[in-house]
Amino acid sequence: NAGVTQTPKFRVLKTGQSMTLLCAQDMNHEYMYWYRQDPGMGLRLIHYSVGEGTTAKGEVPDGYNVSRLKKQNFLLGLESAAPSQTSVYFCASSRSNRNQPQHFGDGTRLSIL
Amino acid sequence: AQSVTQLDSQVPVFEEAPVELRCNYSSSVSVYLFWYVQYPNQGLQLLLKYLSGSTLVKGINGFEAEFNKSQTSFHLRKPSVHISDTAEYFCAVRSYNTDKLIFGTGTRLQVFP
Repeated sequence: NAGVTQTPKFRVLKTGQSMTLLCAQDMNHEYMYWYRQDPGMGLRLIHYSVGEGTTAKGEVPDGYNVSRLKKQNFLLGLESAAPSQTSVYFCASSRSNRNQPQHFGDGTRLSIL
Repeated sequence: AQSVTQLDSQVPVFEEAPVELRCNYSSSVSVYLFWYVQYPNQGLQLLLKYLSGSTLVKGINGFEAEFNKSQTSFHLRKPSVHISDTAEYFCAVRSYNTDKLIFGTGTRLQVFP
């Protein structure tokens, strides 16, 4: 009964380093999302995908790239990390109908020094 | 464009007292509305959702919300809170014509003994 699993849970990077966050869901959901959560700002959508092989930009896409090569996985990449990308990152998934709720992972806490 | 406003960033309340967390939204088309709860160091969990029909929606843990179209509001209520309700609560809106879910900035509910 895993739902949405994010790895890693914590990571510290130096400015300029790159890394990839992995999101995996076992609910056969079509839609997947990446958000960042910052104090006082709620959740902001970075990128999302409405199906395998498709991605789209959200509200704050700059500095991030994504890939959805398999339906169950959604990868978020930081090519050259910046301190402004210090945040908690959440992945979510949902069925394709727009009235369906999103299911969230437990988050990845990322610090950029 | 759609937007969500949560009017209170923090709501302190004593145990067994009633509570209301306010949410107002803006959208040019019809919307689906959601309330999520986030406990410390966890992801978001769905509390309840309004899709259509009855404007009073009941959710988990004794919470309910009322959709008011004329006032574009979706306030969350609980008649008697417990210490365990201490968490952050997010209102979210999704217009009929978009794949994106827009979150409010959150309200931190703190329940005191």
